[in-house]
Amino acid sequence: EAGVAQSPRYKIIEKRQSVAFWCNPISGHATLYWYQQILGQGPKLLIQFQNNGVVDDSQLPKDRFSAERLKGVDSTLKIQPAKLEDSAVYLCASSRSGNRNEQFFGPGTRLTVL
Amino acid sequence: GQNIDQPTEMTATEGAIVQINCTYQTSGFNGLFWYQQHAGEAPTFLSYNVLDGLEEKGRFSSFLSRSKGYSYLLLKELQMKDSASYLCAVRDSNYQLIWGAGTKLIIKP
Repeated sequence: EAGVAQSPRYKIIEKRQSVAFWCNPISGHATLYWYQQILGQGPKLLIQFQNNGVVDDSQLPKDRFSAERLKGVDSTLKIQPAKLEDSAVYLCASSRSGNRNEQFFGPGTRLTVL
Repeated sequence: GQNIDQPTEMTATEGAIVQINCTYQTSGFNGLFWYQQHAGEAPTFLSYNVLDGLEEKGRFSSFLSRSKGYSYLLLKELQMKDSASYLCAVRDSNYQLIWGAGTKLIIKP
């Protein structure tokens, strides 16, 4: 089966600009996660969707970050405006319904904010 | 608070054995995962433990002691391609994954 797809793979922007990332999970996976991974650290959960509903967005900086999964399949994560500290890899993962199952990760988007 | 501790970096020799430890303090426990992450790539699943004891999968084994809040990942017959970061993650009482910072493993010839 096809894996989790993400685009773009790399993005360089200047601070205060906007950026959007796209994720297409594994077919049939109801749960979708967006993580932020800063170099040398473990992934930090930003938001979790179950189908098109938000399960957990407690660590999402809502003043600048937003995410949606309108049709319960693919998802977009947006940052507006970006700050220097947003430089990180943004990982999308999916799993079968709920948190009890293994998560499969996409290749990630490496964001550099200058 | 919730906390996962792993060594930051370890070095081992090709062909040898290495043990990467993970200790955790979480609100509840519903399983522990080990993931491998090569530089610039996404994490990939290695193992899952929910009961005490050793789970063996080829050259890799993972051990869990829930009473001690402790796990280790054992890698045997090390190969150069095993150079990567190894992430320990624990599922808490809400089934959320709490991630460690990862252990960077360097394999030398």
